[in-house]
Amino acid sequence: EPEVTQTPSHQVTQMGQEVILRCVPISNHLYFYWYRQILGQKVEFLVSFYNNEISEKSEIFDDQFSVERPDGSNFTLKIRSTKLEDSAMYFCASSELPGTLLDTQYFGPGTRLTVL
Amino acid sequence: AQKVTQAQTEISVVEKEDVTLDCVYETRDTTYYLFWYKQPPSGELVFLIRRNSFDEQNEISGRYSWNFQKSTSSFNFTITASQVVDSAVYFCALSEAPGGTSYGKLTFGQGTILTVHP
Repeated sequence: EPEVTQTPSHQVTQMGQEVILRCVPISNHLYFYWYRQILGQKVEFLVSFYNNEISEKSEIFDDQFSVERPDGSNFTLKIRSTKLEDSAMYFCASSELPGTLLDTQYFGPGTRLTVL
Repeated sequence: AQKVTQAQTEISVVEKEDVTLDCVYETRDTTYYLFWYKQPPSGELVFLIRRNSFDEQNEISGRYSWNFQKSTSSFNFTITASQVVDSAVYFCALSEAPGGTSYGKLTFGQGTILTVHP
């Protein structure tokens, strides 16, 4: 069964460093998402991406964050200068077509980011 | 703005008991979609079910059943004869249809931690 994959599973970085989290969405999916979950809290939407541009972003997704689809399979989240409060689990998700019967979002296993 | 409330923070049951997880939602849109996801201790988010706002028929899948009541804005999830493997955090989520204010994105509830003891 097709699945969303994410690498790395765990990333440790120093405050102020740049990190890139990678995701490979399900191959026939068109919409891609990033969410984050601070330890013990709920899952929060960061950004959605379609047709090589951002569809929607939350207040959390400030200028420190960016997303890119560098090739036909990868979808990346970059944090330019990490802060302690960026420590969280980051989930990538993909769906076929929002607002239709094909819009169920399937999630990857997550990348745990620890900022020291 | 849309909102999902899962008032039960933690539930603890003994194996074979039935358990119901509550979910109440708020949205201004008439067309929307409701979901349940399971997050086992390993951390991934596993899709369980999706419900469309125009389809109030309840659904059963094995030991799982879902009760969607538009009149009370609730989408409750029942596990019958719970098992230790059901121990996880369960999240209810909402997304809106095209034209809605938050089209496509999922708004999650706080989650309910379910512990099933042997």
